[in-house]
Amino acid sequence: NAGVMQNPRHLVRRRGQEARLRCSPMKGHSHVYWYRQLPEEGLKFMVYLQKENIIDESGMPKERFSAEFPKEGPSILRIQQVVRGDSAAYFCASSLLAVGETQYFGPGTRLLVL
Amino acid sequence: GIQVEQSPPDLILQEGANSTLRCNFSDSVNNLQWFHQNPWGQLINLFYIPSGTKQNGRLSATTVATERYSLLYISSSQTTDSGVYFCAVEQSNSSASKIIFGSGTRLSIRP
Repeated sequence: NAGVMQNPRHLVRRRGQEARLRCSPMKGHSHVYWYRQLPEEGLKFMVYLQKENIIDESGMPKERFSAEFPKEGPSILRIQQVVRGDSAAYFCASSLLAVGETQYFGPGTRLLVL
Repeated sequence: GIQVEQSPPDLILQEGANSTLRCNFSDSVNNLQWFHQNPWGQLINLFYIPSGTKQNGRLSATTVATERYSLLYISSSQTTDSGVYFCAVEQSNSSASKIIFGSGTRLSIRP
């Protein structure tokens, strides 16, 4: 049973470009979470999605960032017009149930903005 | 929102030593997890432990929910135990299911 998969594992972008990060949850999991880890810091919640719905996006910047989890295919975190401050590790997690359930984390995507 | 504090922030030990990492949280929780982030950045689930005690090999964890803290014990440390240990909680009465991470304890095991 494959775990949470993220790709790419590393992504380099120049300022102003777009970054697309993908996350495939564990089989059978319909709850997906995105977290960001800035260098030398802990993980910070960004957004929580279920299939075709954004449930909580309270941790996501209001501009340039968007997330989706379509009926078919992986969840996508999209960052438009990237800036150097977007450089971070972006982790995706999935869970079987919504509340009180273990979240399983993917290996992360390390975004570097030049 | 809920506050999660971990101590100590940094810990340097010789191989073979034992250690105790602490996590305090400011409100009641549905869920508490301990993670190990290895030097390559990978996050590894160690324990899901909203209450009680669990053991897995050289690692064990105890959460006392009524007193709002959790402890992670590492015995007979090995160099591969190095990395950052995070405590993460899901607040009770939260329908959003996001988890809040502490700032971590950075553990370095010297050979």
